[in-house]
Amino acid sequence: DGGITQSPKYLFRKEGQNVTLSCEQNLNHDAMYWYRQDPGQGLRLIYYSQIVNDFQKGDIAEGYSVSREKKESFPLTVTSAQKNPTAFYLCASSNSGDYNEQFFGPGTRLTVL
Amino acid sequence: EDQVTQSPEALRLQEGESSSLNCSYTVSGLRGLFWYRQDPGKGPEFLFTLYSAGEEKEKERLKATLTKKESFLHITAPKPEDSATYLCARGIREKLTFGTGTRLTIIP
Repeated sequence: DGGITQSPKYLFRKEGQNVTLSCEQNLNHDAMYWYRQDPGQGLRLIYYSQIVNDFQKGDIAEGYSVSREKKESFPLTVTSAQKNPTAFYLCASSNSGDYNEQFFGPGTRLTVL
Repeated sequence: EDQVTQSPEALRLQEGESSSLNCSYTVSGLRGLFWYRQDPGKGPEFLFTLYSAGEEKEKERLKATLTKKESFLHITAPKPEDSATYLCARGIREKLTFGTGTRLTIIP
């Protein structure tokens, strides 16, 4: 089955620790995205990548970092510099170019203790 | 400013009671209008893409329409399993801008 997987489903972190969220897709999509979702707010774009070894900042990139070494993988690191990291994180992928719908993974809920 | 506004914020309907959800957006540079369904604790599920004013698409009890400045998601004779949050997003170049969603509850 083609799709997007995210792991883990739930993640707990102590303040001051970095943590990496995994996102893998087997849809052969060129583009991948990371969003953050908070209650009462729309999805906000953190980072996106349209091609391997290249990525761009989204609207709320501060305190996050990404890499795109393989077409199918786009891990997100939440660093200790992110002031309010507790949120629901969603990864998506799409074919590159305009008008292309994005398909989402199941999400990772990160809680900072 | 690139904005997508959805209304109402929440909607409660009796089973079988039809209604519409609204999504309005800034017009310049539109590259598709997208509708998603999201269940609690899950990722959004793609429903429709609309490309130009006048276009309509249907899936089961849902029909999406698009004008020059807004889109509607019409729900006909809804069932309890249609309860979810419905998100719309506008495309601009390679990115999507999402609204905050409409939380729909269908009461049996």
